Amino acid sequence: QSALTQPRSVSASPGQSVTISCTGTSSDVGGYKYVSWYQQHPGKAPKLMIYDVNKRPSGVPDRFSGSKSGNTASLTISGLQAEDEADYYCNSYAGTSYVFGTGTRVTVL
Amino acid sequence: EVQLLESGGGLIQPGGSLRLSCAASGFTFSGFAMYWVRQAPGEGLEWVSGINDRGDDAYYADSVKGRFTISRDNSKSTLYLQMNSLRAEDTAVYYCAKRINSVNRAFDIWGQGTMVTVSS
Repeated sequence: QSALTQPRSVSASPGQSVTISCTGTSSDVGGYKYVSWYQQHPGKAPKLMIYDVNKRPSGVPDRFSGSKSGNTASLTISGLQAEDEADYYCNSYAGTSYVFGTGTRVTVL
Repeated sequence: EVQLLESGGGLIQPGGSLRLSCAASGFTFSGFAMYWVRQAPGEGLEWVSGINDRGDDAYYADSVKGRFTISRDNSKSTLYLQMNSLRAEDTAVYYCAKRINSVNRAFDIWGQGTMVTVSS
């Protein structure tokens, strides 16, 4: 149950795009379609942004999109806005457990 | 409004026990699997445990297996986490979370969290 690997931080100016990678193994990310992404602002509970690799819950802006190739999943935020500045975590089902990513801080310059 | 409210956190000595509760409202609690996720101070999220909708199947992270027990009372719409043999490394904010539905796998509703501090 090793954590999925994410970049420590990414940054971009408002209106630009950022992509966060999430690398696992064939036992988690590569083995299932159940990758989800969570946004967490400081001192707040996580919020679901993407589930099942590329599905958006109602209320999540379509600026957020997800994809997966092999053992690596990705979250792309297009048209970056100030309120997108937060920590982002990926998560994958791994059979009888779940595993989170190491987390990525998104900074809006 | 769909809501999860954790309670039971606090300061506990190493080796001690604590039981966390998570009261659910605004949805049919008995229809969803539920989970515990924790976050150590300044660290990332860690999945701790999960239980199915009927309460007869449970799963644990290796880090807590044999020490923590998840359970639920569907008649009270409440999820529990019994934590025994607590260690300093169990210090964290503990969140309860609801599975999005029976087909997809994600945590769509989260509580505000309850802090557990293990220290002498």
